Amino acid sequence: AQRVTQPEKLLSVFKGAPVELKCNYSYSGSPELFWYVQYSRQRLQLLLRHISRESIKGFTADLNKGETSFHLKKPFAQEEDSAMYYCALTFSGGYNKLIFGAGTRLAVHP
Amino acid sequence: GAGVSQSPSNKVTEKGKDVELRCDPISGHTALYWYRQSLGQGLEFLIYFQGNSAPDKSGLPSDRFSAERTGGSVSTLTIQRTQQEDSAVYLCASSPPQGYQAFFGQGTRLTVV
Repeated sequence: AQRVTQPEKLLSVFKGAPVELKCNYSYSGSPELFWYVQYSRQRLQLLLRHISRESIKGFTADLNKGETSFHLKKPFAQEEDSAMYYCALTFSGGYNKLIFGAGTRLAVHP
Repeated sequence: GAGVSQSPSNKVTEKGKDVELRCDPISGHTALYWYRQSLGQGLEFLIYFQGNSAPDKSGLPSDRFSAERTGGSVSTLTIQRTQQEDSAVYLCASSPPQGYQAFFGQGTRLTVV
């Protein structure tokens, strides 16, 4: 079965510090991995997609198939990055059905 | 606005009552999904619609839960004989044809007292 694990419920850092939000997945095939973000009082929205290999708002994430990980990184955190971050996967034939992790709350302090 | 719209935003109901939650997807989006977000939990998949058909209902937790979609647009999630464990935020999302991105509504917070 497909599964996404985010081991940290809360990650607390100071402004300017590097950030790494961990995500591991289990799926025997080739998944597509995403990070979704929910800012305070806003709806859940897509942050980035592994296939795109983009940097969005300074965040990057690399799919490591050997370690089955898709960690989200940013070299210098900003206060406006404070939000709830969800790692999610879809799978071939999965009609974009998202399997989500439990989420990590990122708190960036001034 | 052109986003996914859910109503009501908040619903408080007594245990044992039935509730209906509504989702208006983005126009033209053929795929529609319902998820549930319980306190301390991630987002749990409930059901997927393609047009008016629901080829995947595997996430519905019990037969008290049902959903329908009409006209390839609006969807209603119905919970019968609500229980306290049904308290959660219910999220709806839609995706365009051939698209990968899910666009989420603001959710309905259901509280069963």
